[in-house]
Amino acid sequence: GAGVSQTPSNKVTEKGKYVELRCDPISGHTALYWYRQSLGQGPEFLIYFQGTGAADDSGLPNDRFFAVRPEGSVSTLKIQRTERGDSAVYLCASSQDRGGEQYFGPGTRLTVT
Amino acid sequence: AQSVTQLGSHVSVSEGALVLLRCNYSSSVPPYLFWYVQYPNQGLQLLLKYTSAATLVKGINGFEAEFKKSETSFHLTKPSAHMSDAAEYFCAVSESGGKLIFGQGTELSVKP
Repeated sequence: GAGVSQTPSNKVTEKGKYVELRCDPISGHTALYWYRQSLGQGPEFLIYFQGTGAADDSGLPNDRFFAVRPEGSVSTLKIQRTERGDSAVYLCASSQDRGGEQYFGPGTRLTVT
Repeated sequence: AQSVTQLGSHVSVSEGALVLLRCNYSSSVPPYLFWYVQYPNQGLQLLLKYTSAATLVKGINGFEAEFKKSETSFHLTKPSAHMSDAAEYFCAVSESGGKLIFGQGTELSVKP
């Protein structure tokens, strides 16, 4: 079956612009996670959804970052007023439920110029 | 707070040699521990996980890891390296299998 997909695969934007990154989880997976991976680092947790609600958003770095999952399936990570330090690979993962194996998507590489 | 330390950002072995990638963790509750592999331009793939059952965990591609509570370690091993094992490896910890806290990663190179 289909795995986790993320679009776009690459995004280049100018400093100060707004971007949206999309994640399509595996069908039927109720848990969805966003992580950010900077060059040479391990992924860092951003936010976790259980169904439609954000159960844990403790990893969001500041209020420029926001994520939604309105129907409990697709999720969108939104970044306002992008900064060069936001450049990273943004990873999405889903699992059947909290505690289940997390399946990762290929990531979106965001470059802020 | 939970944390993971991977000793050695880069490890190089010869084909056929033992692979040993080190991971130490910190957790205030019994941890769930994971090893993930990331091939170039691909997503993270789960190699193996420890969830408080057997302390020696066997994973895919011949890898295994041993949970040692007294040493707070979860080192990854493989008896004989293949060229195809060259990749980035990440150790991770979580509470009850929720959000993952990753180490910095270890890049494994395999020489012919």
